Amino acid sequence: DIVLTQSPVLAVSLGQRATISCRASQSVSISSINLMHWYQQKPGQQPKLLIYRASNLASGIPARFSGSGSGTDFTLTIDPVQADDIAAYYCQQSRESPLTFGSGTKLEIK
Amino acid sequence: QVQLQQSGAELTKPGSSVKISCKASGYTFTSYDISWIKQRPGQALEWIGAINPGSGGTGYNEKFKGKATLTVDKSSSTAFMQLSSLTPEDTAVYYCARLKEAPFFDYWGQGVMVTVSS
Repeated sequence: DIVLTQSPVLAVSLGQRATISCRASQSVSISSINLMHWYQQKPGQQPKLLIYRASNLASGIPARFSGSGSGTDFTLTIDPVQADDIAAYYCQQSRESPLTFGSGTKLEIK
Repeated sequence: QVQLQQSGAELTKPGSSVKISCKASGYTFTSYDISWIKQRPGQALEWIGAINPGSGGTGYNEKFKGKATLTVDKSSSTAFMQLSSLTPEDTAVYYCARLKEAPFFDYWGQGVMVTVSS
């Protein structure tokens, strides 16, 4: 299975930039298609799709969320961070079955 | 608007089975696969498997073969997941989600808490 590694916690000040990373145990890209996706999960809620195929903003998601990366290294950026962004963020790969998720990064406010 | 409405919380005993549901609305049910995802308290997400509502074809994470069985009822646009031989390790929130091409999960149900306790 492809293992996705995320840092457990990231603390950022309001109004600053948050950079959340996800590293895959093997490449999740096929040609120019990057099969990495990002979700936000607030406490007590279901996950919400933020970014698909590494850099495409999902419908209704604010433009202060963005994604980048290829191969094994991917980044979710939130700029500027707002109080409403306090949540856990998960990456997910679809290069191979089984589909796997990262362990999640909890975004905290400094 | 697309909605996935899941059934209510379940309290079950070890060794028993439970069947939870996910009713889809707002789109053509047979046009997208439905996946199920497990989340233990305070833990990350695990993909259980997926079902094609049109054909009934399924794909499972090896880890959940023999544990989870996915079915659908096209007439009611509802997907089901049965979990068998339950143990305390099966205590978790179970989500259904619509699977878009790539694939990724673009809409999620609200989740069902399944508690296994004697």
